[in-house]
Amino acid sequence: NAGVTQTPKFQVLKTGQSMTLQCAQDMNHEYMSWYRQDPGMGLRLIHYSVGAGITDQGEVPNGYNVSRSTTEDFPLRLLSAAPSQTSVYFCASSYDFVGNSPLHFGNGTRLTVT
Amino acid sequence: DAKTTQPPSMDCAEGRAANLPCNHSTISGNEYVYWYRQIHSQGPQYIIHGLKNNETNEMASLIITEDRKSSTLILPHATLRDTAVYYCIVRERTGNQFYFGTGTSLTVIP
Repeated sequence: NAGVTQTPKFQVLKTGQSMTLQCAQDMNHEYMSWYRQDPGMGLRLIHYSVGAGITDQGEVPNGYNVSRSTTEDFPLRLLSAAPSQTSVYFCASSYDFVGNSPLHFGNGTRLTVT
Repeated sequence: DAKTTQPPSMDCAEGRAANLPCNHSTISGNEYVYWYRQIHSQGPQYIIHGLKNNETNEMASLIITEDRKSSTLILPHATLRDTAVYYCIVRERTGNQFYFGTGTSLTVIP
């Protein structure tokens, strides 16, 4: 099993550009989520999904959109990139959204906005 | 979700047990305690979780106090590869969200 796969690994954008960070999991997990991690800080939740067709906002959703058309994929869209969105982005999934289900993380996308 | 408090850093001698404390004094009865670690800038790695009872797996042991207000992660024989940032998290039984703090930076010393 590949687990949680994130692409690309690295990305540089200019202010105002848009892009999509890809996340795919092959574990048939219902729950998927996106986090960002800024230097010296913990992870902060951006958006999450408890199943196909259902998404909701986390702690820091502004500037990001998500959709969940399939169980496997949960892309994160930056509509108009800003330097404040320079960060490392992690996608994570779990079997379901109850508390007894560990999150599995991808290895991240390192985004720089100039 | 209840929040957690961890010491910012700890050292441990190689081969000795590493005991990482976590305070979660506002935890409610339906919240699980999770531990993850992050090595360099890789994705966080799941270690262990529990609700009320102590738990053990091939990586670590989790000791939860009887009042559930604190817990300790034990790495029984620390190696240099255990140097990482360790996060203690509480998650609701119907938990849509994990809240990560800043964790404990553990350095294993040769």
